[in-house]
Amino acid sequence: IAGITQAPTSQILAAGRRMTLRCTQDMRHNAMYWYRQDLGLGLRLIHYSNTAGTTGKGEVPDGYSVSRANTDDFPLTLASAVPSQTSVYFCASSPTAAQPYEQYFGPGTRLTVT
Amino acid sequence: QKEVEQNSGPLSVPEGAIASLNCTYSDRVSQSFFWYRQYSGKSPELIMSIYSNGDKEDGRFTAQLNKASQYVSLLIRDSQPSDSATYLCAVSKRNGAGGTSYGKLTFGQGTILTVHP
Repeated sequence: IAGITQAPTSQILAAGRRMTLRCTQDMRHNAMYWYRQDLGLGLRLIHYSNTAGTTGKGEVPDGYSVSRANTDDFPLTLASAVPSQTSVYFCASSPTAAQPYEQYFGPGTRLTVT
Repeated sequence: QKEVEQNSGPLSVPEGAIASLNCTYSDRVSQSFFWYRQYSGKSPELIMSIYSNGDKEDGRFTAQLNKASQYVSLLIRDSQPSDSATYLCAVSKRNGAGGTSYGKLTFGQGTILTVHP
């Protein structure tokens, strides 16, 4: 089934640990995105990638890094997790980096940093 | 002023009624407009997109856009209990310039809709 997969589904992580959230899409979409969703703050963009080999910073990039080695994969890394990074993380993709910019979301990863 | 504002809700309607969800946006250069549905514990699902003024219908859903008033709405006809969810309005535009620009989606806070039997 075409779509976006994310792993893990949920994770409890000790503060200070390194963690990589995985995102894979099989729709051959050029653009990919990482969001976090927090109660009262809505969806906020962490990082984006317009095409394989390029990445950029969104609204809340501090503490996170991404890479885009190929079209399908867009991992998000927390180098040293802090409790404020407790959130639900969604990966999204868009067919192109051009208009109309509609995005399709993966199932999410629920991360708890203790 | 928030970039995208939705009626705060929660909105409760009886089964079979029309649910009306509203959204206003502040940036006149906004280019495309979307409605996402998010069930509790799930990810946002794109249900409607609209790009030009007027109405766009898809099954029981109608999206309405008025760029002059910076207003977009979603009507759900013959509401069903399965429509109970949070509805997110999203507005897109090109953000930045040159090599660092990207298509930015700005989301509203969402309106919780409950359809009761």
